[in-house]
Amino acid sequence: GEDVEQSLFLSVREGDSSVINCTYTDSSSTYLYWYKQEPGAGLQLLTYIFSNMDMKQDQRLTVLLNKKDKHLSLRIADTQTGDSAIYFCAERLYGNNRLAFGKGNQVVVIP
Amino acid sequence: GAGVSQSPSNKVTEKGKDVELRCDPISGHTALYWYRQSLGQGLEFLIYFQGNSAPDKSGLPSDRFSAERTGGSVSTLTIQRTQQEDSAVYLCASSRGNGEAFFGQGTRLTVV
Repeated sequence: GEDVEQSLFLSVREGDSSVINCTYTDSSSTYLYWYKQEPGAGLQLLTYIFSNMDMKQDQRLTVLLNKKDKHLSLRIADTQTGDSAIYFCAERLYGNNRLAFGKGNQVVVIP
Repeated sequence: GAGVSQSPSNKVTEKGKDVELRCDPISGHTALYWYRQSLGQGLEFLIYFQGNSAPDKSGLPSDRFSAERTGGSVSTLTIQRTQQEDSAVYLCASSRGNGEAFFGQGTRLTVV
């Protein structure tokens, strides 16, 4: 299956850390991605992780992958007002290479 | 080009009319995707092109929707006899095979 689930809304104070969670169902996914969508804009690729990795860190972003539980998370350290957006996780399905997206998680950063 | 380019950025059309949406992928990218994003919703997969392989059309919601990719580059998504429920943002993305996908800014379609 290709259901990707995300929680819907997160409010966080500027300077705090944000954690966004995602679960997926296709255990044979090859890559998992995090995209950011600001209001009225397209999707911007933030980071991705290969399925044989457990963790990837990229500046303020940390991606954790738990393949056993099919759980992906994105931690944003020192959250800034510019981080306010909708965040989508996506998995690349093995075999057909299609990208399946979650419904997104809106993050609102309070100054 | 430097990024994925979609045109038009906005399209308002009358119910029952046909529309064509265009996507120019990043040069050299062999894979091209179309998605639809309705207000407040996630991304709904529509169709996927990979090189010269037969496209994966399994996400097209009805036979009013079709897409083609000419010469392995530019793609056109056509919606015939548009309905109000077709109103959405249509997003195109391209990638190098199984690499990360880069999205265009989308075409906002409004059917009145």
